[in-house]
Amino acid sequence: QITLKESGPTLVKPTQTLTLTCTFSGFSLSTSGVGVGWIRQPPGKALEWLALIYWDDDKRYSPSLKSRLTITKDTSKNQVVLTMTNMDPVDTATYYCAHVLGGGVEFDYWGQGTLVTVSS
Amino acid sequence: QSVLTQPPSASGTPGQRVTISCSGSSSNIGSNYVYWYQQLPGTAPKLLIYRNNQRPSGVPDRFSGSKSGTSASLAISGLRSEDEADYYCAAWDDSLSAGVFGGGTKLTVL
Repeated sequence: QITLKESGPTLVKPTQTLTLTCTFSGFSLSTSGVGVGWIRQPPGKALEWLALIYWDDDKRYSPSLKSRLTITKDTSKNQVVLTMTNMDPVDTATYYCAHVLGGGVEFDYWGQGTLVTVSS
Repeated sequence: QSVLTQPPSASGTPGQRVTISCSGSSSNIGSNYVYWYQQLPGTAPKLLIYRNNQRPSGVPDRFSGSKSGTSASLAISGLRSEDEADYYCAAWDDSLSAGVFGGGTKLTVL
């Protein structure tokens, strides 16, 4: 079955770079049509679409965060990495990774999420 | 300010039918599929409706989705206490070349 799990720091300081890793199983990111996306949710607020990478290395980013985000994949390790530069307290959120099949918002399997707090 | 607009709250009594709306534009809902997610308290979102009106395996047929023009709706019939959750609509936006979510609707079962 498909599972995903996010990992990374729980606390980062303002201006630092956040690196999150999504480790998955049950599918291959070399299979046509497959992708992995990142979504975040500040405490008590709505979901926000961040970035997406497809099997063919096609990458898409939220326009409002594009300058700060980088998404990469390591197919051999079954991992997708998201980096976000210049972190700010407003970036405090639970960050989710999710499996994508088809459309860029068709997230059929989700990780449990990881809470990242930005504070000095 | 979300690209897709949802009412912040909705409510109903057990057994009732409730609908949640999602309004967008020609670049998102008007030209792409709509998806709905259910998020129970303290858990990750779950895909509830995909490609406007399709239900993943295991989702009860009490949940249904529809789309017309630049708007979409999620209907829940035979409301149950376990349906109390946050509901989000989502769509791809061709102008942004990115995904967008609605602001979410908190459903309360009275």
